[in-house]
Amino acid sequence: QVQLQESGPGLVKPSGTLSLTCAVSGVSISSFEWWTWIRQPPGKGLQWVGEIHQTGRTNYNPSLRSRVTISSDISNNQVSLRLTSVTAADTAVYYCTKADFFFSPAGGSWGQGTLVTVSS
Amino acid sequence: QSALTQPPSASGSPGQSVTISCTGTSSDVGGYHYVSWYQQHPGKAPKLIIYDVFKRPSGVPGRFSGSKSGNTASLTVSGLQAEDEADYYCCSYAGPNILYVFGTGTKVTVL
Repeated sequence: QVQLQESGPGLVKPSGTLSLTCAVSGVSISSFEWWTWIRQPPGKGLQWVGEIHQTGRTNYNPSLRSRVTISSDISNNQVSLRLTSVTAADTAVYYCTKADFFFSPAGGSWGQGTLVTVSS
Repeated sequence: QSALTQPPSASGSPGQSVTISCTGTSSDVGGYHYVSWYQQHPGKAPKLIIYDVFKRPSGVPGRFSGSKSGNTASLTVSGLQAEDEADYYCCSYAGPNILYVFGTGTKVTVL
């Protein structure tokens, strides 16, 4: 059974950098094609942040592309998200998930989500 | 890229059917056969219930069905049950530059 667990600071200062890690267990991240980050501001809808392929190739939401980096660490079986120059608009629950089907960003395996608040 | 448009709310009595629309453009919903739907209960992570417009992942009940016509996709929940009360989001592939766009979300209430 695939399990995902997000972790990272719950509070980030404006203009700072948000860094999150998604620890994956039950499967090697190198054995599945796409690993995705999705976020959800409090009380609002879902937003696709970006994804990383098992080969290391990445795709990002155009609105975040200049500030976001997704990387993977195969030896530790984890995927990471880095978002720079954050503002209050980046306050959200951040989910990591695995894409089970082509052209669907997320499937049946999700982390529980981690709330990141941007505030001084 | 604008979010896909969904009605804010929908409701039905137990046993009835409810249909949720998801309207986009020819650059997303209308241009590709890659619409997915996610169910989210309060405080929980979303769950994929439909992909490729109408396909159901293993374990998703057959009373969830999807369709598409032009730039609008639809999710129908037949035989409403209390546990179907949740938020529902559509998502469409929007090409190699934008990738994915989510809908605005619909809150389904079982009366």
